[in-house]
Amino acid sequence: DGGITQSPKYLFRKEGQNVTLSCEQNLNHDAMYWYRQDPGQGLRLIYYSQIVNDFQKGDIAEGYSVSREKKESFPLTVTSAQKNPTAFYLCASRSDSWGNEQFFGPGTRLTVL
Amino acid sequence: AQSVTQPDIHITVSEGASLELRCNYSYGATPYLFWYVQSPGQGLQLLLKYFSGDTLVQGIKGFEAEFKRSQSSFNLRKPSVHWSDAAEYFCAVGPGDTDKLIFGTGTRLQVFP
Repeated sequence: DGGITQSPKYLFRKEGQNVTLSCEQNLNHDAMYWYRQDPGQGLRLIYYSQIVNDFQKGDIAEGYSVSREKKESFPLTVTSAQKNPTAFYLCASRSDSWGNEQFFGPGTRLTVL
Repeated sequence: AQSVTQPDIHITVSEGASLELRCNYSYGATPYLFWYVQSPGQGLQLLLKYFSGDTLVQGIKGFEAEFKRSQSSFNLRKPSVHWSDAAEYFCAVGPGDTDKLIFGTGTRLQVFP
């Protein structure tokens, strides 16, 4: 079955540690996105990539980094510079057809202890 | 500026009652409009989308939405709500700058038996 997988589902980290969230898709989509979700704030865009080896900052990129070395993969690193990293993180992808919807993964809940 | 407003943070309905969730947008051109649903701790699932043509669009799970350009609205409706419809609903408009989607802050639906 085609889809988007995110791992792990739950992640705990100590303050000061970097952590990497995985996102893989087998939909052959060009564009991929990372969102952060906090209660009452909807989805906020962290980074997005429209093609391999290229990515752009979203609205809240500070304290995060990404890479896009393969079409299928778009990992997100939450660095120690992110002041309030506890949140639900969602990865999405979209086909190259103009206006097509984004498909979402199941999410990763990150908790900083 | 491009934006999406979902005026209702929380709605409670009885099972079997009709439902309307409001969505208003601000967008400089003809928008692409989407409604997504999210169950607790899960990713987002597309309910329906509007690009052009018939302003009343049908989606999955018995939902429909009507695009009203004069009111800049894209309200989601369902004639008879089921307990399984309890979830959070997000309206989104695109494409934003460089292909981004802009999400509303969501409406949480609670269904009483």
